[in-house]
Amino acid sequence: ETGVTQSPTHLIKTRGQQVTLRCSSQSGHNTVSWYQQALGQGPQFIFQYYREEENGRGNFPPRFSGLQFPNYSSELNVNALELDDSALYLCASSLASSTDTQYFGPGTRLTVL
Amino acid sequence: GENVEQHPSTLSVQEGDSAVIKCTYSDSASNYFPWYKQELGKGPQLIIDIRSNVGEKKDQRIAVTLNKTAKHFSLHITETQPEDSAVYFCAASSNAGKSTFGDGTTLTVKP
Repeated sequence: ETGVTQSPTHLIKTRGQQVTLRCSSQSGHNTVSWYQQALGQGPQFIFQYYREEENGRGNFPPRFSGLQFPNYSSELNVNALELDDSALYLCASSLASSTDTQYFGPGTRLTVL
Repeated sequence: GENVEQHPSTLSVQEGDSAVIKCTYSDSASNYFPWYKQELGKGPQLIIDIRSNVGEKKDQRIAVTLNKTAKHFSLHITETQPEDSAVYFCAASSNAGKSTFGDGTTLTVKP
């Protein structure tokens, strides 16, 4: 059984650019959630995908968007990057049931200059 | 929406002592309460979780208690070791994939 993987590990972008982050879910999991973790804070929920459909969204603007693919891997896209977007982006996979645990990947560290 | 408060923000204990971290939540619909340990440069790792039909759960040196009436839950680590040093997060949710996290507790265990 493979764990959650994310790519790239680190990324540096400039303000106004666009970025795509990738996540492969744990084997057998059909739900992926994305979180933003600013330095010194807890992860903040961005959105969740279940079977290729968005299944809930946190308080993030529309320039944060995502996709889930038939193999349940996922992408997070951020357009028009702002300095405040600098953070660790985490994805977590789980089964669809609300009683199931989510497992986090190592994260992608995004720096916006 | 859900709001989770976590205390203390920093905690320093001597090796072998116990550590307690407390969280309160606001949404009475929350029914799943995981605790995560995050080491530098890594993603959060689940260490224990509890569901709302249970008042207490224990796994070796780690235990979690839940008081639904008061809307608070606590993490207890006994016989702390230097490798327990990390940032610990509590979370609450009514859906496992949409957790609201506390702001974290930095635990330092001094040898």
